[in-house]
Amino acid sequence: KNEVEQSPQNLTAQEGEFITINCSYSVGISALHWLQQHPGGGIVSLFMLSSGKKKHGRLIATINIQEKHSSLHITASHPRDSAVYICAVSGGTSYGKLTFGQGTILTVHP
Amino acid sequence: DTAVSQTPKYLVTQMGNDKSIKCEQNLGHDTMYWYKQDSKKFLKIMFSYNNKELIINETVPNRFSPKSPDKAHLNLHINSLELGDSAVYFCASSQVETAPYNEQFFGPGTRLTVL
Repeated sequence: KNEVEQSPQNLTAQEGEFITINCSYSVGISALHWLQQHPGGGIVSLFMLSSGKKKHGRLIATINIQEKHSSLHITASHPRDSAVYICAVSGGTSYGKLTFGQGTILTVHP
Repeated sequence: DTAVSQTPKYLVTQMGNDKSIKCEQNLGHDTMYWYKQDSKKFLKIMFSYNNKELIINETVPNRFSPKSPDKAHLNLHINSLELGDSAVYFCASSQVETAPYNEQFFGPGTRLTVL
């Protein structure tokens, strides 16, 4: 079993729908990262959080440290949001190395 | 200006060959990483260097040898390539002073295909 588990693995939505991707982890962490990988392959950091909630445009990320759980929400989804969303954690004395979830493939249809 | 760059973007080679992938960052970061993404899109750490010093080696075969000539560069040399080495290799960098809260910046990836 992975130290970082995401659900769902695949998600299909219609444009405008509210989307939630979940991430659970089983290890102690100092920070949780949400990354986006577009079909072209590049990886971009969306959020890094260690507590509470962060918002950027239509994206919202939350974390519950006690429950070892984080969610990534996308409001008013759009086809350009179609990508792989990856949860990763960093912590301890690991010099910032990331441990990744398996990713969630999101497809938003017009 | 590209923050983290990798060359080449695509690499197709025969089994048994030796190849290198180069990575450079212009962010002034002191820590660089190599990650491997397999065919199922799963990412895993391979190596990490801090100020040219190897600090993480995640049970990677000896055929893989990272080299960091300075803190802005981290190259990956692979000897005797095998079919199972086919993957996308990502370089990333961060500023370790803020670790483990550090944001990581990724290169565009190098797609290695071993025939």
